[in-house]
Amino acid sequence: KQEVTQIPAALSVPEGENLVLNCSFTDSAIYNLQWFRQDPGKGLTSLLLIQSSQREQTSGRLNASLDKSSGRSTLYIAASQPGDSATYLCAVGNTGGFKTIFGAGTRLFVKA
Amino acid sequence: ETGVTQTPRHLVMGMTNKKSLKCEQHLGHNAMYWYKQSAKKPLELMFVYSLEERVENNSVPSRFSPECPNSSHLFLHLHTLQPEDSALYLCASSPLRGDTQYFGPGTRLTVL
Repeated sequence: KQEVTQIPAALSVPEGENLVLNCSFTDSAIYNLQWFRQDPGKGLTSLLLIQSSQREQTSGRLNASLDKSSGRSTLYIAASQPGDSATYLCAVGNTGGFKTIFGAGTRLFVKA
Repeated sequence: ETGVTQTPRHLVMGMTNKKSLKCEQHLGHNAMYWYKQSAKKPLELMFVYSLEERVENNSVPSRFSPECPNSSHLFLHLHTLQPEDSALYLCASSPLRGDTQYFGPGTRLTVL
């Protein structure tokens, strides 16, 4: 059974700092991995999608990496801003991409 | 705006009531999903529809009944719910399986 763990559960950093969020999964036979952002009381916004054959994806100040053999993914945020404050969720897709298992998330607070 | 809308945004119901949640996507996607997000628990996949056929049912109690009349609409019919069913119910869609999922804002459900 796939389990997804995110560390740390919460993180507070000063504005401008580079930071890394971690995601680990127990079954390396994944279809894809997604990183999402969720603002309080709102739905999820997709940030990056990495297919199982890929090693990383980049979008602006965000870079996500995937290492299937070790069951890990990282989300790197460069030059953090207060607007980056949100909960970041990692989701692993299995079963041909239909079944998605989410981690509990990392709650990020960027101080101005 | 992600192109996925959900109504109502908030719902309070008694345990003997019957209600329905509605999701509509304006993106031309072929897959739609229902998720449950409870406090202090990871997001849980409930149902997946692909081309209007249910392809995933994640051991959800029968008091939750999904319906997908066409590729743009998804319903979740609720009856005789329990207080522990109180949660944020999120709908998502994707072009095909394994693609990036786009989430609606969710329906905050409270069962009294």
